Amino acid sequence: EVQLVESGGYLVQPGGSLRLSCVASGFTFTTYWMSWVRQAPGKGLEWVATIKQDGSEQYYVDSVKGRFTISRDNAKNSLFLQMHSLRAEDTAVYFCARENFGAYVSFFDYWGQGILLTVSS
Amino acid sequence: EVVLTQSPATLSLSPGERVTLSCRASQSISSYLAWYQQTPGQAPRLLIYEASKRATGIPARFSGSGSGTDFTLTISSLETADFGVYYCQQRGHWPQVTFGQGTRLEIK
Repeated sequence: EVQLVESGGYLVQPGGSLRLSCVASGFTFTTYWMSWVRQAPGKGLEWVATIKQDGSEQYYVDSVKGRFTISRDNAKNSLFLQMHSLRAEDTAVYFCARENFGAYVSFFDYWGQGILLTVSS
Repeated sequence: EVVLTQSPATLSLSPGERVTLSCRASQSISSYLAWYQQTPGQAPRLLIYEASKRATGIPARFSGSGSGTDFTLTISSLETADFGVYYCQQRGHWPQVTFGQGTRLEIK
């Protein structure tokens, strides 16, 4: 059974830093792109970042470029999101998601349960 | 950036009814569209990918259609488990991903 379990969400002050983690199990982690998607309270979904299987490519939504870094440790089946210079608008539930590919394009086929990050003084 | 606009914002329907949800893209995305369902407090669940392909384990009452800029998700006969918020998502312009704002499907 595919499982994605996030951890590390807390209450952080504006300008602070935090690292989210996601541990994967039930599939061969090294063969999948992985992503983070977030959802502000009462709002819709927003893609945050994506990383290639070997970590050699990373992509970000413009609003987090230069502040967030996605990384992975394939030996530990783990995905990370290092966040700096946090703002109130980064407050959201953060989901770890596996990317799968159909014939033409990727989509998110498995999601973690999500973890809440609150940025507030 | 590709903007996805979903309509309607909210639907109130009864179990057994047929429902059609719409998602319109601001520019062509071929068939590079997925649909997700989210119920309160839960993670999104993949329903449809590449516009019309059902994900593993998704019942046949769910179907997707469309290409280019106009897409539709149809549920042929609503069940109580189908209520929640539905999102469309595109990756037609790699690597950027955008989601629609969601359609809330409520029990009437």
